[in-house]
Amino acid sequence: QVQLVQSGAEVKKPGASVKVSCKASGYTFTSYGISWVRQAPGQGLEWMGWISAYNGNTNFAQKLQGRVTMTTDTSTSAAYMELRSLRSDDTAVYYCARDLGSTAGFEPQYYWGQGTLVTVSS
Amino acid sequence: QSVLTQPPSVSGAPGQRVIISCTGSSSNIGAGYDVHWYQQVPGTAPKLLIYGNSNRPSGVPDRFSGSKSGTSASLAITGLQAEDEADYYCQSYDSSLSRGVFGTGTKVTVL
Repeated sequence: QVQLVQSGAEVKKPGASVKVSCKASGYTFTSYGISWVRQAPGQGLEWMGWISAYNGNTNFAQKLQGRVTMTTDTSTSAAYMELRSLRSDDTAVYYCARDLGSTAGFEPQYYWGQGTLVTVSS
Repeated sequence: QSVLTQPPSVSGAPGQRVIISCTGSSSNIGAGYDVHWYQQVPGTAPKLLIYGNSNRPSGVPDRFSGSKSGTSASLAITGLQAEDEADYYCQSYDSSLSRGVFGTGTKVTVL
């Protein structure tokens, strides 16, 4: 069965960086894209970006451009999201999620990781 | 601020039908991009409920249905059950932002 297992909770100081991992299993990793979605406490879902596990192409939300990096390691079937220059409003649960299909268009997210809480506090 | 607007809350008695709207614009829903719906029980990851406007993934009860018209989409829940109490989000693609976008979210309460 398809599983996405994320790394554990993190506490970071403002200005620091965080790197969240997402280990995939149960499918051919390079056949589907991975999206990252975050949710601040008590708030809605925010789409952060997407990476193709096939060729590494990425698409990020403009507000995060310059601060976020998304990568994959096909040898370990893992995806990574690094966010730099952390601010208090980056405090959120960060989810990785696999695309439903593998079309060229925008795909919905079908399989989700369990979420990683990142707390930014001085 | 999201480009897809949903009502903050809807409620209904068990067995009733509720509808959640998702209003977009000519750069997302109105441009022909598909709408997807997610259900999120607080404290858990979202679950894909409807994809491609009206399709249900395997295992999703047929009490849930989706539709799209013009610049809006709707999620209908018929035969409301206590377990349907959750937050619901629509999602689409926005061509002016060149990225995926979520709706503002709707809390469904079963009275």
